[in-house]
Amino acid sequence: DAGVIQSPRHEVTEMGQEVTLRCKPISGHDYLFWYRQTMMRGLELLIYFNNNVPIDDSGMPEDRFSAKMPNASFSTLKIQPSEPRDSAVYFCASSLAVPTGNSPLHFGNGTRLTVT
Amino acid sequence: AQKVTQAQTEISVVEKEDVTLDCVYETRDTTYYLFWYKQPPSGELVFLIRRNSFDEQNEISGRYSWNFQKSTSSFNFTITASQVVDSAVYFCALTKAAGNKLTFGGGTRVLVKP
Repeated sequence: DAGVIQSPRHEVTEMGQEVTLRCKPISGHDYLFWYRQTMMRGLELLIYFNNNVPIDDSGMPEDRFSAKMPNASFSTLKIQPSEPRDSAVYFCASSLAVPTGNSPLHFGNGTRLTVT
Repeated sequence: AQKVTQAQTEISVVEKEDVTLDCVYETRDTTYYLFWYKQPPSGELVFLIRRNSFDEQNEISGRYSWNFQKSTSSFNFTITASQVVDSAVYFCALTKAAGNKLTFGGGTRVLVKP
């Protein structure tokens, strides 16, 4: 299996620009998660989907952030407009079932976002 | 609210030494799950182990071992005979039963020197 695939690996953009991060979960996984990692706040859950439906977006920091999952094999996290404080590594993860079952979270390699 | 504390931010050892990473958690749930993840320099997060709150048996997998003590709310991780490839950041995480939101600790960076 190819694992969770994220693109791009690195993104550098200017403040005010729109940024779109992409994720392809492992085939057959019903759950998809977006996490953000920063030095100050560590790993934070932003949003997760079950069967393409957003279940909990309480971690999304502001209205500038939005996430979609149009089908089982693709999700996007969009930031519009971007700000320097959005600079972080964004991880996508997927799991076959609830992570507390026999189905741990599988993480992608992350997208390192730098907003100047 | 749930909380995971990894008090050690960085540990440096020489190859072949043992290293123990501490993890202390807080939760009001009686049923919960604990995890350890490894983040090597390449950046991805690799799942190492999951343990539920009803299973206090210690576990060993090769050079890795885990000590779960409910009485002290700790889930410590030991690497025996460390190797340079063990250099990484290690995260402890917690979620409630049937929960989907992992709460991560701040991570411990392990540096194994040859």
